[in-house]
Amino acid sequence: ETVLTQSPGTLSLSPGERATLSCRASQSVSSSYLGWYQQKPGQAPRLLIYDASSRATGIPDRFSGSGSGTDFTLTISRLEPEDFAVYYCQQYGSSPYTFGQGTKLEIK
Amino acid sequence: QVQLQESGPGLVKPSETLSLTCTVSGGSIRTYYWSWIRQPPGKGLEWIAYIYYTGITNYNPSLKSRVTVSVDTSKSQFSLKLSSVTAADTAVYYCAYSYGVTWGQGTLVTVSS
Repeated sequence: ETVLTQSPGTLSLSPGERATLSCRASQSVSSSYLGWYQQKPGQAPRLLIYDASSRATGIPDRFSGSGSGTDFTLTISRLEPEDFAVYYCQQYGSSPYTFGQGTKLEIK
Repeated sequence: QVQLQESGPGLVKPSETLSLTCTVSGGSIRTYYWSWIRQPPGKGLEWIAYIYYTGITNYNPSLKSRVTVSVDTSKSQFSLKLSSVTAADTAVYYCAYSYGVTWGQGTLVTVSS
């Protein structure tokens, strides 16, 4: 099973700042099948990035993903008030699919 | 765009079987595969299983002995059964298209007597 470790656990930033979230895999993620999700309280997760660096439909271009192998990054270039939420990474390159434990992005 | 809606009992007794159905609308269920994912209150996400419209399945080994997923293409539905439930199975259960491209709103299932 591929274990995904996200860091930091909590990130405190202000609107307008740049956010960098990390996801490290215990083994190489096949074909860079790595996704990033945003989840707000009481809502289902929403896919932001798929295949490590492709933006999902309707996702603003301030969200970008990068990485390959075992190290992946989600970057939010300029934080908007609606971006404060919990973010999860997920690998779907090998079974069982697994999620990271999440990074909470909070307003400083 | 495809939409998904979970349905089923919100309360299940310990040792019984949890049964949920996901109804697909706005698109054909005969495309790719469909997943079940759960999230215990205040915790992270756990992938449970997926099923292709052809009936091919893949289960999380941690739950495999208790899980069955099935698909009914005539009704545009796929289903989850989880047997011998305990309080640890209390969670919001989500259905999703593919690995998580689109999600249902989720349904809270509480295991309690």
